[in-house]
Amino acid sequence: DIQMTQSPSSLSASVGDRVTITCQASQDISKYLNWYQQKKGKAPKLLIYDASKLETGVPSRFSGSGSGTHFTFTISSLQPEDIAIYFCHQYNNLPYSFGQGTKLEIK
Amino acid sequence: EVQLVQSGAEVKKPGESVKISCKGSGYSFTNYWIGWVRQMSGKGLEWMGIIYPGDSDTKYSPSFQGQVTISADKSISTAYLQWTSLQASDTAMYYCARLKGKNYYGSGKGMYPDHWGQGTLVTVSS
Repeated sequence: DIQMTQSPSSLSASVGDRVTITCQASQDISKYLNWYQQKKGKAPKLLIYDASKLETGVPSRFSGSGSGTHFTFTISSLQPEDIAIYFCHQYNNLPYSFGQGTKLEIK
Repeated sequence: EVQLVQSGAEVKKPGESVKISCKGSGYSFTNYWIGWVRQMSGKGLEWMGIIYPGDSDTKYSPSFQGQVTISADKSISTAYLQWTSLQASDTAMYYCARLKGKNYYGSGKGMYPDHWGQGTLVTVSS
């Protein structure tokens, strides 16, 4: 099974800051990585698919990059409504797997 | 509009059975895989398995094989997750999700959840 190692596990930043989260796969997953946002008490929401493609309707301050085993998720200018937990997810192999999550808080 | 609507919260005793549901609408239910994901309180997301409602082809994650049963009734656009003998450790939020994308070589490669149900909380307590 593919293990996804996500870091950091928590992050505190100020409104307007650039925020970066990384995800490392235990083996090559090509481009088959998503990023999801989960707000408290809600289901996850798709932000990025195929490592770098922005889901329709998602603000352009969110972006993703990477391929193979190393991936990065960036919020270019943090907004108060971005407070959530962010998960990476690989869909190269079954069973699919998620990173452990990054809890993002406002400083 | 694509929607997945899950059944309501369940409170059960250890050893009891339960079947929760996920009804799809706004798309061709038989043409997309549906998956189930577990989230224990304050924890991360874990894949349980996926099903193709068109022919009920089902693939379980090794951790959940034999522990749960995933099924679907395409006539009413509904997928199910069921337990025959619940344990306290099954207490969690359970989400269904539609999988989008191309299923390369039937391996699951290329499919990802794009729409999610609202979640069903299953609580198992004596």
